[in-house]
Amino acid sequence: DADVTQTPRNRITKTGKRIMLECSQTKGHDRMYWYRQDPGLGLRLIYYSFDVKDINKGEISDGYSVSRQAQAKFSLSLESAIPNQTALYFCATGTGWGTEAFFGQGTRLTVV
Amino acid sequence: AQSVTQLDSQVPVFEEAPVELRCNYSSSVSVYLFWYVQYPNQGLQLLLKYLSGSTLVKGINGFEAEFNKSQTSFHLRKPSVHISDTAEYFCAVSDLGGSQGNLIFGKGTKLSVKP
Repeated sequence: DADVTQTPRNRITKTGKRIMLECSQTKGHDRMYWYRQDPGLGLRLIYYSFDVKDINKGEISDGYSVSRQAQAKFSLSLESAIPNQTALYFCATGTGWGTEAFFGQGTRLTVV
Repeated sequence: AQSVTQLDSQVPVFEEAPVELRCNYSSSVSVYLFWYVQYPNQGLQLLLKYLSGSTLVKGINGFEAEFNKSQTSFHLRKPSVHISDTAEYFCAVSDLGGSQGNLIFGKGTKLSVKP
């Protein structure tokens, strides 16, 4: 089983709909992240959480919200999806400075 | 704020040839540096990392990278590539300053290995 699991893996939704992407981890890490990947732009940080009560905006948080339901669960919501939010979304976990992030398999989201 | 520049968006190379993927960073404080690989339709996997010590870092699959503080570079190299190395490669930096240790990624380099 994967250490960082994202659901769904693929999703097509309509403009204006609310959608939630879920992430769960079995690595026991405190830090969790949501990144967005667009062709030619690399990965950009949307939100990050250092523990259940510590949630922070990243580089591109507008239009997104998150919830850290437990140490192991971190969900990303698009309150009203728009087409330019079509992208590949990655959840990741980590333990802090100097350590790598561990990534899920990604969720491919298409907003039509 | 720190940033990462991957100088080549695409690198085509023939099988068994050497390859270098270039990465430069900017940061005013000490950094940790990483290279990740993303195979088609997969997540990111760590290739190697530099934290401290020897500036030549060896990773998985025969890759290595050299940290050059004066040139603020962390180039990735492999002496002989295989078809299976075709993937996208990302350089990332984490510093001890305002980023709170979060990874900041470059835009990626697509390595295409041709037979």
